[in-house]
Amino acid sequence: AQSVTQLDSHVSVSEGTPVLLRCNYSSSYSPSLFWYVQHPNKGLQLLLKYTSAATLVKGINGFEAEFKKSETSFHLTKPSAHMSDAAEYFCVVSASGTYKYIFGTGTRLKVLA
Amino acid sequence: DTGVSQNPRHKITKRGQNVTFRCDPISEHNRLYWYRQTLGQGPEFLTYFQNEAQLEKSRLLSDRFSAERPKGSFSTLEIQRTEQGDSAMYLCASTGQQSYNEQFFGPGTRLTVL
Repeated sequence: AQSVTQLDSHVSVSEGTPVLLRCNYSSSYSPSLFWYVQHPNKGLQLLLKYTSAATLVKGINGFEAEFKKSETSFHLTKPSAHMSDAAEYFCVVSASGTYKYIFGTGTRLKVLA
Repeated sequence: DTGVSQNPRHKITKRGQNVTFRCDPISEHNRLYWYRQTLGQGPEFLTYFQNEAQLEKSRLLSDRFSAERPKGSFSTLEIQRTEQGDSAMYLCASTGQQSYNEQFFGPGTRLTVL
C-alpha cells in the first residue's frame, strides 16, 4: 500500500527566504510522486512530478524537489519565497495499476512581508 | 477549452435531497477519477473509471453514492438522501496514456448540505 506523510501542517517564511516543505512516502514499488499547489478558491495545479527519471526534479515558479529513495523523501524547495507562493501544497503518490492519487494532508505555506 | 470542467461549481441543498454533479474530462483522456476534499484535508479518492468501466470504488463511497460514465466521455456523481457530512468539495480529474500518470483536475463542485 502507498501512503504519504507531510511532516508540517503549517510553514511560515519571510519573503525572499528559502522554502522547505517536507514529504515522506511509503510504497512497495518505484513510485510516481507529485507536488500540487492549491490557491484559495482555485483548482489544483501541478508543480512538478517524479516518474523514475532524474532524481532532482524542477517544476514551475522556481520550485524543485529531490527524490531520495534511501530516505523515502520527496521534499519541495524554493530558494526564495514570493508572496504569491502563499497557498496549500499537497504531496501525492500515485498507486500502481489504477494510478489513483494518494494525497498527503497538505502544508499551508504562509509568506510574511 | 481543453481543461477538465465541472458543473455546477456550487450546490446548496437541504438534507435528504438528491444531487448530481457532472464532470467533462479532457477529450482524449480515458481515465477519470472522483475525489472528495473536506476543509483542511487533502483530497480523498472516491472512484475511478477507465473508459466506461468503473474499476474501483473507495469504502468512502457509501451506497448513497453512485457514479457513471456512459460512453466513456463525461461522468456524473449522484448523492442520494444527502447528509450534512456530505458537505465537501468534489473534484474530478482525468488522465490519458500520453499524460504519464499526471492527473488534470477540474475546479470542483462545492456541496453544502443544510
